[in-house]
Formats: sequence, structure tokens, C-alpha cells
Amino acid sequence: GAGVSQTPSNKVTEKGKYVELRCDPISGHTALYWYRQSLGQGPEFLIYFQGTGAADDSGLPNDRFFAVRPEGSVSTLKIQRTERGDSAVYLCASSPTGQSNYGYTFGSGTRLTVV
Amino acid sequence: AQSVTQLDSQVPVFEEAPVELRCNYSSSVSVYLFWYVQYPNQGLQLLLKYLSGSTLVKGINGFEAEFNKSQTSFHLRKPSVHISDTAEYFCAVVSMDSNYQLIWGAGTKLIIKP
Repeated sequence: GAGVSQTPSNKVTEKGKYVELRCDPISGHTALYWYRQSLGQGPEFLIYFQGTGAADDSGLPNDRFFAVRPEGSVSTLKIQRTERGDSAVYLCASSPTGQSNYGYTFGSGTRLTVV
Repeated sequence: AQSVTQLDSQVPVFEEAPVELRCNYSSSVSVYLFWYVQYPNQGLQLLLKYLSGSTLVKGINGFEAEFNKSQTSFHLRKPSVHISDTAEYFCAVVSMDSNYQLIWGAGTKLIIKP
């Protein structure tokens, strides 16, 4: 596609529920990143995929968070047993390779609200 | 480890006036530096980046930034702002060693007064 697409743009869920956030990167970009942006803060790294594999998942806050990229393109971020503290904008970005000196292309984000 | 400090959470400025948004970083290794802009309800867009070479970097929309290694700064400037520049601006760095994980500042909201 022309840009990085994230769906849904907004998601409201009840505490304890399971959610999935989808990211469709630019076609041909092998590297994909998930970040989380809380109100008044800069983005915080969650996980980096190179192809189908998670090259670095050190930013995932706990085992309720999981992400997959089974075919090396679309990625899904999954959050189990959501908590109010999970409320944030979840950003996805892609780049041609794993080297960020190219600069990422970001999607518009998914705003997750846990009530 | 790296860290990024954006010294001003908000910068109000009159239309057509110059502006400087400040960014300082801390790192024990060499870094690449970036400025991104986030317009309301939109994703982050790359404004400019410093990788090597000339320390004065020009970006989109008339913005430029100067890398100062001795002061570990990468301040963003524009000589004359327009109402359409209203947005949040983020400074970010990445270690040349890790080469992918961006470390971000908290952002500066640029508020243009008519």
C-alpha cells in the first residue's frame, strides 16, 4: 500500500477483555515496529520484527502483550486481560530494512481506551 | 543507553515569527538524530534527520536543525512559522550500534498565535 495502515483507528474495550490491533505495513518493507504513546509522552518501543520473526521484543511490558507477523507483512498486536493502564495510542511503523537511518514510516495509530 | 530531553512542553509563537524547538540527548555511543512532526489525529511524519556530514540539516516544510556534538544538542528551527505548522514535534535518537530502536523525547507542542 501507499502508507502504513492501522485498524481500528479507535477501540474502546472493557477492563479484562482481549483486543487485537492490526498493522499493514508498506509493501516490501521487511522491518516492522510497534510503539506505544501515552498522553503527554513520546513513543515507547514495544517490539521489532524483521520478516516473520520478532528480532527484539524487549519493550513488551508483560506477558499480556503479544505480537505476530506470520507472513512477513501484516502484524497483529494482541493484548489479553486489558487494564486501564493499557490505554494509549499504539503506533506501527515500517522501514525498508532493519536500519532506522532510513527513517520509519508511521501509521496513524490505534487509540485504545480501556474502561 | 540513550535519553532525549525536549526542554519545552509547549512553545507559543506568533505567525511569521521565527521559532526554535530545543532537543538535548545523552548517549555513550554515537547516534543518528531525527525530528518527527505529529499533526492532530495523524501519524508521525519524518521532518529531517542527521546521519553524518554537514551539521546543518534541512528538512521538509522549511525546517532545519543543527547538530552540535559538544553540546549534545539537535535544535529545530524555522525562520517564519505558519498556522499550518501547529503540531507536536518529537526529537528522537538511535544508537549506531542498535540501529533500529528509536529513543524519543516527550514532545513539544508548537502553538501558532494569529
